[in-house]
Amino acid sequence: AAGVIQSPRHLIKEKRETATLKCYPIPRHDTVYWYQQGPGQDPQFLISFYEKMQSDKGSIPDRFSAQQFSDYHSELNMSSLELGDSALYFCASSLSGLPKHTDTQYFGPGTRLTVL
Amino acid sequence: DAKTTQPTSMDCAEGRAANLPCNHSTISGNEYVYWYRQIHSQGPQYIIHGLKNNETNEMASLIITEDRKSSTLILPHATLRDTAVYYCIVRYYGQNFVFGPGTRLSVLP
Repeated sequence: AAGVIQSPRHLIKEKRETATLKCYPIPRHDTVYWYQQGPGQDPQFLISFYEKMQSDKGSIPDRFSAQQFSDYHSELNMSSLELGDSALYFCASSLSGLPKHTDTQYFGPGTRLTVL
Repeated sequence: DAKTTQPTSMDCAEGRAANLPCNHSTISGNEYVYWYRQIHSQGPQYIIHGLKNNETNEMASLIITEDRKSSTLILPHATLRDTAVYYCIVRYYGQNFVFGPGTRLSVLP
């Protein structure tokens, strides 16, 4: 079965540069979530989108922004990168609709961002 | 903050059943119990979820107590590839996941 696709898988940037991470949800899934996982930490929710509208917001820095496009793929834009932004970034997708118990989130393989 | 409490770590012999407990004493009536696992820096993998009844799929079984204040994930025949961090998460429909410390399961040969 098709899974969540994330690109790139690895990214190296310098401080103060910008980065764009992409997420392609499972076909027919309408909701996308972004999570950040720092070294030795648990995944932390950043932001989510349902039908191209922001649906929830977590601990996402103001330097980050994200959007979901008409084909349901999503991009996480990160500006003025800092050393502390080095982390794994996971995207998850779900199908939000009836029956309610089907909105299980399925995670992608992640993008490893290293800021030097 | 995570609404669950799990042991920090557990060991299990290969081929034996792994029973991972989770306490969620403040769970609300409409909150589901989800289990995910993360194998070294891979994306979290969905295992199973339930509301009130026990559930079973090809990966595991989920046993939820009658008062719903705790649950147990059972991997019936653990293999070395089941070594991972296991997260028990309580959430409402549509809510994002809050990952807690989880249980680091080590399956030993």
